[in-house]
Amino acid sequence: QVQLVQSGSELKKPGASVKVSCKASGYTFTTYAINWVRQAPGQGPEWMGWINTISGNPTYAQAFTGRFVFSLDTSVSTAYVQITSLEAEDTAIYYCARSSGELFLDYWGQGTLVTVSS
Amino acid sequence: EVVMTQSPATLSVSPGERVTLSCRASQSVRSNLAWYQQTPGQAPRLLIYAASTRATGIPARFSGSGSGTEFTLTISSLQSEDFAVYYCQQYSHWPPLTFGGGTKLEIK
Repeated sequence: QVQLVQSGSELKKPGASVKVSCKASGYTFTTYAINWVRQAPGQGPEWMGWINTISGNPTYAQAFTGRFVFSLDTSVSTAYVQITSLEAEDTAIYYCARSSGELFLDYWGQGTLVTVSS
Repeated sequence: EVVMTQSPATLSVSPGERVTLSCRASQSVRSNLAWYQQTPGQAPRLLIYAASTRATGIPARFSGSGSGTEFTLTISSLQSEDFAVYYCQQYSHWPPLTFGGGTKLEIK
């Protein structure tokens, strides 16, 4: 069965960096893109962008350029998002989610809570 | 950016009732519209894509309709597990993909 399993919760200080992983199983990793979605406390989902798992080419939503980097390790079917210069406003649950050629998100990871606090 | 507006924000309903949720796009998204369900502490779950196609394993009591700028999600007979937050999402004009603000179904 399709599964996306994310790394565990993180507590970071402002200015630090964090790298969240998303390991896929149950399907051929390179046949679907991986999207990243942020959900701040009490808010709706916000699409951060996606990464092409064949080419490794990322596409970022405008609000997520600069401090956010998507990457892959196709040898272990894993996608990553790294966030640098963390701010309190980055406190949120970060989800990875799979999509095909059309960008609806059919399978989601369980989410990774990133808390930024001094 | 396409703005998705959902109404109402909260809906109080009783189990067994039929309920219709609305989603409006700021410009036409054709039929490139998905619905998700999110229960507390869980990731969103895909219910409907292409405006009216149920995702794998989704019960038939969930149905979607609409095209262009007006969409609805109907639950024919609410079960206890259906009390959740529902989001619509367009994938016609991107980046970015955009979600609505959600409709929360509460038990009356």
